[in-house]
Amino acid sequence: GESVGLHLPTLSVQEGDNSIINCAYSNSASDYFIWYKQESGKGPQFIIDIRSNMDKRQGQRVTVLLNKTVKHLSLQIAATQPGDSAVYFCAENMSNNDMRFGAGTRLTVKP
Amino acid sequence: GAGVSQSPRYKVAKRGQDVALRCDPISGHVSLFWYQQALGQGPEFLTYFQNEAQLDKSGLPSDRFFAERPEGSVSTLKIQRTQQEDSAVYLCASSFQGGTGELFFGEGSRLTVL
Repeated sequence: GESVGLHLPTLSVQEGDNSIINCAYSNSASDYFIWYKQESGKGPQFIIDIRSNMDKRQGQRVTVLLNKTVKHLSLQIAATQPGDSAVYFCAENMSNNDMRFGAGTRLTVKP
Repeated sequence: GAGVSQSPRYKVAKRGQDVALRCDPISGHVSLFWYQQALGQGPEFLTYFQNEAQLDKSGLPSDRFFAERPEGSVSTLKIQRTQQEDSAVYLCASSFQGGTGELFFGEGSRLTVL
């Protein structure tokens, strides 16, 4: 399944399925993007990043895709596990070197 | 510890009180950020330091909010005359370099204003 990361929507997937979380960013000049995972009561945790000179970057079970034409990021999680349940935020590096976060998407993994 | 440390973890204040929130970044990290996170929302940028210099404070919602990092390490976020709308989790993050580096977050200070 997939979801747009605005107004904290919820994405619910079955354990073992792939998840796709989407994010629209605001600044065409942003040159660096990060996906963060936030579990309840904790601070955001880095998952994966990508620079604007790349379209795709892969990590362990995660892939980030960047489409600069439409200012869109996606996070793909392969073989989603219960431990992946959290809120996921995309963040963009603004031209003045601060990071700005989207509203997030809540991922729920059903066993 | 090796991570970003914030204190207090929880703070309850009566409306009109002043509060101070502390952040101990990872040793050697040049950049330090403060964010405000309301319930069910993403973190909202407040201010950014590079060493002791406050390079951006455009996110501070009013002049009741003040942040400092006098020696380029520990930072304090102060909120004067707290109001109910100030209730939120205040997150601190640090990075080795500027905004282009990975941010390491603390667990936040949850402020509740009654």
